[in-house]
Amino acid sequence: DTEVTQTPKHLVMGMTNKKSLKCEQHMGHRAMYWYKQKAKKPPELMFVYSYEKLSINESVPSRFSPECPNSSLLNLHLHALQPEDSALYLCASSQVRDVSYEQYFGPGTRLTVT
Amino acid sequence: KQEVTQIPAALSVPEGENLVLNCSFTDSAIYNLQWFRQDPGKGLTSLLLIQSSQREQTSGRLNASLDKSSGRSTLYIAASQPGDSATYLCAVTLINAGGTSYGKLTFGQGTILTVHP
Repeated sequence: DTEVTQTPKHLVMGMTNKKSLKCEQHMGHRAMYWYKQKAKKPPELMFVYSYEKLSINESVPSRFSPECPNSSLLNLHLHALQPEDSALYLCASSQVRDVSYEQYFGPGTRLTVT
Repeated sequence: KQEVTQIPAALSVPEGENLVLNCSFTDSAIYNLQWFRQDPGKGLTSLLLIQSSQREQTSGRLNASLDKSSGRSTLYIAASQPGDSATYLCAVTLINAGGTSYGKLTFGQGTILTVHP
């Protein structure tokens, strides 16, 4: 099974709402990633978790709060977002301490902030 | 800072044509290079991964080559089909001197491919 799942597929939220994005993989990968992708642009790395610990935060605003409750699950908590945060949010996973570090991506959550 | 460039930005070809997509990167200290396909509004599908020690990888009608010393990779698509229409992204994983246990991808801007019947 090389699948990464993400829920929900679509999310519309107001600027005062609190919502969460969820990502799950069952490939035994111990590195998980959040990316943000704006229209017609490549994905931009936001966070990396390695062995359930935050390893990289690419200077992401605090209104985005990641969480890795276990080795299979990655959440992204959203609060007080701005319209410019509307984008496709992609989750990925990979092996750790592996020569390939091949990343497997989920289908993404399309987020619209109104 | 690693920079990845893809040429051309867009390509339109008739069905059946063989085509080449180009990717270049500025820092040759890479673990690997991945080629991805992305359909509109969808996630990324990994097509091929080339390790830094490899020269090429093949999967079906796709062949990817890597010349690390010159900082270049090409994705060759044989006998293109309308179903190949998508955005193709290349991305490199940098070697981290600290020996981190994860890969950090740097993406190119992508090539939008249209194959018309």
